[in-house]
Amino acid sequence: DQQVKQNSPSLSVQEGRISILNCDYTNSMFDYFLWYKKYPAEGPTFLISISSIKDKNEDGRFTVFLNKSAKHLSLHIVPSQPGDSAVYFCAASASGNTGKLIFGQGTTLQVKP
Amino acid sequence: SQTIHQWPATLVQPVGSPLSLECTVEGTSNPNLYWYRQAAGRGLQLLFYSVGIGQISSEVPQNLSASRPQDRQFILSSKKLLLSDSGFYLCAWSIGSARGQETQYFGPGTRLLVL
Repeated sequence: DQQVKQNSPSLSVQEGRISILNCDYTNSMFDYFLWYKKYPAEGPTFLISISSIKDKNEDGRFTVFLNKSAKHLSLHIVPSQPGDSAVYFCAASASGNTGKLIFGQGTTLQVKP
Repeated sequence: SQTIHQWPATLVQPVGSPLSLECTVEGTSNPNLYWYRQAAGRGLQLLFYSVGIGQISSEVPQNLSASRPQDRQFILSSKKLLLSDSGFYLCAWSIGSARGQETQYFGPGTRLLVL
């Protein structure tokens, strides 16, 4: 049972435009959500997180939106840059679960110059 | 600042051989530690996690094991590797919180190829 799903395996965006990466979850106990960026043959790098008490969190070019009723979150990157090309993973955890993260399958973002 | 190390970076092993991957964290005390595996084209699968020395929880039954002999050292082992053990192994750490809303930070990973 895939509790965290990223239904788009890939996304291509022009430099300077907005990139929107989506993530859906099924477990209503999840209350903390994170986005990671991963280059090939490297470990994931933490980008941004959001607690379930919020519906938006912003850090520079990155904004995460959380829609609890729809069990959906999205990562917006504005403006997109070629260096943003990577695989993006969303992850979720539930309080009292020792911080264990459940990851989606990842979305490969390509930003074209 | 905190740093996480993994070695080796790349490993090619024959089927049936043993395995030992090491992960160490610097700059923090009593971290939660995690081992993940990423198979080709897949997401990250949690294998083991540890909240303290000698405390290991397994998420997926398999021929791998983990140990935490010291506070900031986490080891992934196998007595006999299978072809299906090939993948990218990642170690991660976090600071435990009562609320459980922890951010995990990952090491550089070890690419394992079993032939």
